[in-house]
Amino acid sequence: GEDVEQSLFLSVREGDSSVINCTYTDSSSTYLYWYKQEPGAGLQLLTYIFSNMDMKQDQRLTVLLNKKDKHLSLRIADTQTGDSAIYFCAEWRNRDDKIIFGKGTRLHILP
Amino acid sequence: DTEVTQTPKHLVMGMTNKKSLKCEQHMGHRAMYWYKQKAKKPPELMFVYSYEKLSINESVPSRFSPECPNSSLLNLHLHALQPEDSALYLCASRGTSGMGEQFFGPGTRLTVL
Repeated sequence: GEDVEQSLFLSVREGDSSVINCTYTDSSSTYLYWYKQEPGAGLQLLTYIFSNMDMKQDQRLTVLLNKKDKHLSLRIADTQTGDSAIYFCAEWRNRDDKIIFGKGTRLHILP
Repeated sequence: DTEVTQTPKHLVMGMTNKKSLKCEQHMGHRAMYWYKQKAKKPPELMFVYSYEKLSINESVPSRFSPECPNSSLLNLHLHALQPEDSALYLCASRGTSGMGEQFFGPGTRLTVL
């Protein structure tokens, strides 16, 4: 099965907060990332968190990490139409020199 | 220069053609990656170059041949592809901060007829 799990779809009203959740399995992962992909484009690194942190805030983005439960979340405050995209949760396995991606959550914004 | 560029943006080729994809970065990154991404799926790692040497090949068919001529350039040579190879091909480079983060190019949309 997938090593990084996330729900496939999220629908949110414009102006509300979006929360995208992710679970990972490798407790030795040192960094976890959120990438954004708009249609027809490459992946944009939105934010990252080091495994010894439990929260990171960057403008409208808040990342929460529960290392005990291997749970990561991305909160987008005041969701805008430009936030419509696929969001990939990912972990870095430095022993393999690989980033492992989740399947991606498609964020749909309702007017 | 803080971006990864890829050319061409779109490519259509027949199964007997030979073509190449090009990726370039001038951020001084020493690890570069090729990924294949099918629609509505996450990127799948194909190759990793570290200090211009191939360090990971994820059992990719030999019709895909990577090349790293120097620390800024990464090519992917294509020959005798199949229609199922049609996908978005993404190049990435790894930052030097030690956080493992990868910076992606915009991709080449490849269609094999």
